Amino acid sequence: ETGVTQSPTHLIKTRGQQVTLRCSSQSGHNTVSWYQQALGQGPQFIFQYYREEENGRGNFPPRFSGLQFPNYSSELNVNALELDDSALYLCASSLEASGTQYFGPGTRLLVL
Amino acid sequence: QKEVEQNSGPLSVPEGAIASLNCTYSDRGSQSFFWYRQYSGKSPELIMFIYSNGDKEDGRFTAQLNKASQYVSLLIRDSQPSDSATYLCAVGRDSWGKLQFGAGTQVVVTP
Repeated sequence: ETGVTQSPTHLIKTRGQQVTLRCSSQSGHNTVSWYQQALGQGPQFIFQYYREEENGRGNFPPRFSGLQFPNYSSELNVNALELDDSALYLCASSLEASGTQYFGPGTRLLVL
Repeated sequence: QKEVEQNSGPLSVPEGAIASLNCTYSDRGSQSFFWYRQYSGKSPELIMFIYSNGDKEDGRFTAQLNKASQYVSLLIRDSQPSDSATYLCAVGRDSWGKLQFGAGTQVVVTP
Protein backbone atom coordinates (compact mmCIF):
# COMPACT_ATOMS: atom_id res chain seq x y z
CA GLU A 1 0.00 0.00 0.00
CA THR A 2 1.44 3.37 -1.04
CA GLY A 3 1.02 6.25 1.36
CA VAL A 4 0.33 9.89 0.60
CA THR A 5 3.21 11.65 -1.13
CA GLN A 6 3.78 15.35 -1.68
CA SER A 7 6.20 17.41 -3.72
CA PRO A 8 8.27 19.41 -3.36
CA THR A 9 9.32 19.00 0.27
CA HIS A 10 10.57 22.58 0.59
CA LEU A 11 10.04 25.67 -1.49
CA ILE A 12 11.15 29.29 -1.29
CA LYS A 13 9.22 31.97 -3.19
CA THR A 14 9.04 35.74 -3.16
CA ARG A 15 5.98 37.83 -2.49
CA GLY A 16 3.69 38.13 -5.51
CA GLN A 17 4.84 34.90 -7.14
CA GLN A 18 2.70 31.86 -7.81
CA VAL A 19 3.26 28.32 -6.53
CA THR A 20 1.95 24.84 -7.34
CA LEU A 21 2.11 22.04 -4.80
CA ARG A 22 1.39 18.41 -5.69
CA CYS A 23 -0.08 15.45 -3.88
CA SER A 24 -0.58 11.79 -4.69
CA SER A 25 -3.25 10.13 -2.62
CA GLN A 26 -2.89 6.84 -0.79
CA SER A 27 -3.67 3.80 -2.89
CA GLY A 28 -7.43 3.28 -3.06
CA HIS A 29 -8.32 6.75 -1.76
CA ASN A 30 -10.41 9.03 -3.99
CA THR A 31 -10.75 12.11 -1.78
CA VAL A 32 -8.03 14.68 -1.17
CA SER A 33 -8.06 17.52 1.35
CA TRP A 34 -5.55 20.33 1.69
CA TYR A 35 -4.59 22.06 4.92
CA GLN A 36 -2.34 24.97 5.84
CA GLN A 37 -0.42 24.79 9.10
CA ALA A 38 1.29 27.93 10.32
CA LEU A 39 4.02 27.61 12.92
CA GLY A 40 2.64 26.79 16.34
CA GLN A 41 -0.93 26.33 15.12
CA GLY A 42 -3.15 23.46 14.12
CA PRO A 43 -3.83 22.74 10.46
CA GLN A 44 -6.49 24.90 8.79
CA PHE A 45 -8.78 23.32 6.17
CA ILE A 46 -8.35 24.87 2.72
CA PHE A 47 -10.54 22.67 0.48
CA GLN A 48 -11.41 19.11 -0.43
CA TYR A 49 -11.69 17.37 -3.79
CA TYR A 50 -13.75 14.29 -4.63
CA ARG A 51 -13.98 12.85 -8.12
CA GLU A 52 -12.32 15.94 -9.59
CA GLU A 53 -14.87 18.34 -8.07
CA GLU A 54 -14.43 20.69 -5.12
CA ASN A 55 -16.32 19.19 -2.18
CA GLY A 56 -16.09 21.95 0.37
CA ARG A 57 -13.89 24.92 1.08
CA GLY A 58 -12.57 26.61 4.18
CA ASN A 59 -12.09 30.30 4.82
CA PHE A 60 -9.37 30.93 2.25
CA PRO A 61 -9.38 33.57 -0.52
CA PRO A 62 -9.89 32.65 -4.20
CA ARG A 63 -6.16 32.95 -4.90
CA PHE A 64 -5.99 29.48 -3.32
CA SER A 65 -7.23 27.06 -5.96
CA GLY A 66 -6.97 23.39 -6.64
CA LEU A 67 -7.39 20.53 -9.02
CA GLN A 68 -7.91 16.82 -8.80
CA PHE A 69 -6.99 14.50 -11.64
CA PRO A 70 -8.61 11.24 -12.78
CA ASN A 71 -5.95 9.26 -10.89
CA TYR A 72 -7.03 11.17 -7.73
CA SER A 73 -3.77 13.09 -7.44
CA SER A 74 -4.20 16.77 -6.70
CA GLU A 75 -2.61 20.18 -6.99
CA LEU A 76 -2.83 23.25 -4.80
CA ASN A 77 -2.14 26.54 -6.53
CA VAL A 78 -1.55 29.80 -4.71
CA ASN A 79 -1.39 33.05 -6.66
CA ALA A 80 -0.03 36.42 -5.56
CA LEU A 81 1.89 34.95 -2.64
CA GLU A 82 1.90 36.90 0.61
CA LEU A 83 4.33 36.66 3.51
CA ASP A 84 1.59 35.07 5.66
CA ASP A 85 1.34 32.19 3.20
CA SER A 86 4.56 30.84 4.69
CA ALA A 87 3.48 27.56 6.27
CA LEU A 88 3.48 23.79 6.06
CA TYR A 89 0.98 22.67 3.44
CA LEU A 90 -0.50 19.29 4.12
CA CYS A 91 -2.40 16.99 1.85
CA ALA A 92 -4.62 14.28 3.31
CA SER A 93 -6.37 11.48 1.51
CA SER A 94 -9.39 9.43 2.44
CA LEU A 95 -11.94 7.09 0.92
CA GLU A 96 -15.12 9.00 0.10
CA ALA A 97 -17.13 9.62 3.25
CA SER A 98 -15.04 7.46 5.54
CA GLY A 99 -13.82 10.60 7.29
CA THR A 100 -10.53 9.07 8.33
CA GLN A 101 -7.78 11.07 6.70
CA TYR A 102 -4.12 10.20 6.34
CA PHE A 103 -1.61 12.97 5.89
CA GLY A 104 1.34 13.24 3.56
CA PRO A 105 4.70 14.57 4.73
CA GLY A 106 3.83 18.13 3.72
CA THR A 107 5.46 20.90 1.72
CA ARG A 108 7.13 23.66 3.66
CA LEU A 109 6.70 26.97 1.85
CA LEU A 110 8.65 30.08 2.74
CA VAL A 111 7.62 33.38 1.19
CA LEU A 112 10.21 36.15 1.32
CA GLN B 1 -14.33 31.53 20.83
CA LYS B 2 -12.23 29.05 18.89
CA GLU B 3 -14.11 26.14 17.35
CA VAL B 4 -11.77 23.54 18.84
CA GLU B 5 -9.85 24.33 22.01
CA GLN B 6 -6.98 22.50 23.66
CA ASN B 7 -4.58 23.38 26.43
CA SER B 8 -1.32 24.33 24.75
CA GLY B 9 0.87 22.78 27.43
CA PRO B 10 3.53 21.72 27.71
CA LEU B 11 2.14 18.80 29.68
CA SER B 12 4.99 17.18 31.54
CA VAL B 13 4.44 13.49 32.34
CA PRO B 14 6.80 11.09 34.11
CA GLU B 15 7.68 7.96 32.17
CA GLY B 16 5.20 5.21 32.92
CA ALA B 17 2.46 7.59 34.06
CA ILE B 18 -0.86 8.45 32.39
CA ALA B 19 -1.08 11.51 30.18
CA SER B 20 -4.54 13.08 30.00
CA LEU B 21 -5.34 15.45 27.13
CA ASN B 22 -8.56 17.42 26.81
CA CYS B 23 -10.38 19.06 23.93
CA THR B 24 -13.63 21.01 23.71
CA TYR B 25 -15.52 21.96 20.58
CA SER B 26 -18.23 24.51 19.85
CA ASP B 27 -20.23 22.98 16.97
CA ARG B 28 -22.96 20.71 18.38
CA GLY B 29 -23.44 19.23 14.91
CA SER B 30 -19.97 17.68 14.92
CA GLN B 31 -20.01 13.99 14.13
CA SER B 32 -16.44 12.75 13.96
CA PHE B 33 -13.54 13.20 16.32
CA PHE B 34 -9.89 12.44 15.82
CA TRP B 35 -6.61 12.55 17.66
CA TYR B 36 -3.41 13.07 15.71
CA ARG B 37 0.16 13.01 16.96
CA GLN B 38 2.68 15.38 15.40
CA TYR B 39 6.40 15.20 16.00
CA SER B 40 8.37 18.39 15.50
CA GLY B 41 8.91 19.07 11.81
CA LYS B 42 6.71 16.16 10.73
CA SER B 43 3.14 15.80 9.52
CA PRO B 44 0.21 14.67 11.72
CA GLU B 45 -0.17 10.94 12.28
CA LEU B 46 -3.59 9.48 13.07
CA ILE B 47 -3.79 7.87 16.51
CA MET B 48 -7.49 7.31 17.03
CA PHE B 49 -10.95 8.27 15.88
CA ILE B 50 -14.24 8.10 17.75
CA TYR B 51 -17.78 8.73 16.57
CA SER B 52 -20.00 7.63 19.46
CA ASN B 53 -20.29 8.69 23.09
CA GLY B 54 -18.20 6.65 25.47
CA ASP B 55 -14.72 5.20 25.49
CA LYS B 56 -12.67 3.62 22.75
CA GLU B 57 -9.42 1.85 23.51
CA ASP B 58 -6.53 1.01 21.20
CA GLY B 59 -3.42 -0.31 22.88
CA ARG B 60 -2.11 2.30 25.32
CA PHE B 61 -4.53 4.94 24.02
CA THR B 62 -8.11 5.59 25.12
CA ALA B 63 -10.34 8.20 23.55
CA GLN B 64 -13.40 9.44 25.42
CA LEU B 65 -16.29 11.36 23.87
CA ASN B 66 -19.10 13.22 25.57
CA LYS B 67 -21.24 14.98 22.98
CA ALA B 68 -23.57 16.53 25.55
CA SER B 69 -20.60 18.31 27.12
CA GLN B 70 -18.91 18.82 23.74
CA TYR B 71 -15.79 17.27 25.13
CA VAL B 72 -13.31 14.72 23.85
CA SER B 73 -10.23 13.45 25.62
CA LEU B 74 -7.25 11.20 25.06
CA LEU B 75 -5.52 9.12 27.69
CA ILE B 76 -2.05 7.73 27.12
CA ARG B 77 -1.19 4.96 29.54
CA ASP B 78 2.37 3.89 30.43
CA SER B 79 3.76 7.01 28.76
CA GLN B 80 7.08 6.57 26.98
CA PRO B 81 9.68 9.16 25.90
CA SER B 82 8.65 8.38 22.31
CA ASP B 83 5.20 9.77 23.15
CA SER B 84 6.73 13.24 23.46
CA ALA B 85 5.01 15.17 20.69
CA THR B 86 2.20 17.61 20.01
CA TYR B 87 -1.25 16.03 20.09
CA LEU B 88 -3.88 17.56 17.83
CA CYS B 89 -7.61 17.22 18.41
CA ALA B 90 -9.66 17.39 15.19
CA VAL B 91 -13.41 17.59 14.75
CA GLY B 92 -15.49 16.95 11.62
CA ARG B 93 -19.02 18.18 10.98
CA ASP B 94 -19.74 15.32 8.64
CA SER B 95 -18.23 12.04 7.59
CA TRP B 96 -16.18 13.62 4.81
CA GLY B 97 -13.45 15.01 7.00
CA LYS B 98 -12.98 18.74 6.42
CA LEU B 99 -11.54 18.83 9.88
CA GLN B 100 -11.33 21.67 12.35
CA PHE B 101 -8.16 21.32 14.40
CA GLY B 102 -7.19 22.63 17.78
CA ALA B 103 -3.80 24.26 18.22
CA GLY B 104 -2.44 21.13 19.87
CA THR B 105 -1.13 20.14 23.28
CA GLN B 106 2.59 19.54 23.64
CA VAL B 107 3.39 16.48 25.74
CA VAL B 108 6.83 15.95 27.25
CA VAL B 109 7.54 12.56 28.82
CA THR B 110 10.41 12.75 31.24
CA PRO B 111 12.52 9.65 32.05
